[in-house]
Amino acid sequence: DAMVIQNPRYQVTQFGKPVTLSCSQTLNHNVMYWYQQKSSQAPKLLFHYYDKDFNNEADTPDNFQSRRPNTSFCFLDIRSPGLGDAAMYLCATQGQGAGYTFGSGTRLTVV
Amino acid sequence: DAKTTQPPSMDCAEGRAANLPCNHSTISGNEYVYWYRQIHSQGPQYIIHGLKNNETNEMASLIITEDRKSSTLILPHATLRDTAVYYCIVRVAGAQKLVFGQGTRLTINP
Repeated sequence: DAMVIQNPRYQVTQFGKPVTLSCSQTLNHNVMYWYQQKSSQAPKLLFHYYDKDFNNEADTPDNFQSRRPNTSFCFLDIRSPGLGDAAMYLCATQGQGAGYTFGSGTRLTVV
Repeated sequence: DAKTTQPPSMDCAEGRAANLPCNHSTISGNEYVYWYRQIHSQGPQYIIHGLKNNETNEMASLIITEDRKSSTLILPHATLRDTAVYYCIVRVAGAQKLVFGQGTRLTINP
């Protein structure tokens, strides 16, 4: 089935050590999103790509960056993870006239 | 996007209808009501959306009041697998952002 795939499902990283989370899609959707979801909270939008155009949310820390090398892939880079960055990171896509499709998320632990 | 208000939690017995309310009193004429749910440790899943008319699909029914200031999501025969957080979101169709409120944590009890 066409879907949004996030790897890995669980990621452990050291405090301050750069980490990259990946998302791929087979839906050929032109918009890709990254959300952060901390325990017992709602997902919070970090940024999104409309095709190659990057759109950052005003309150997203500079520590979070993103890359979209092609339609299918999008990466979330955390340059210097802190303990407060431990969360579930959700990738989602949206196509023309289509709803959102979410991946299963990557749960990031910072030690 | 208009703000929504949902009860933080609800319980429902298995096999009964689960009715989840949502208030969106500041909704604009071109904003749709969307419902998503998130089962524990999974990504949110689309359920249904509507503008004015009531909508039904294989998962649920959406009842929107005539003044569009509130809506109700109905799961007609709730099962244990329907235990999840349900999010009511209002947004312009095709808008690029999906902004989540706190949602309702629905627990289906055996």
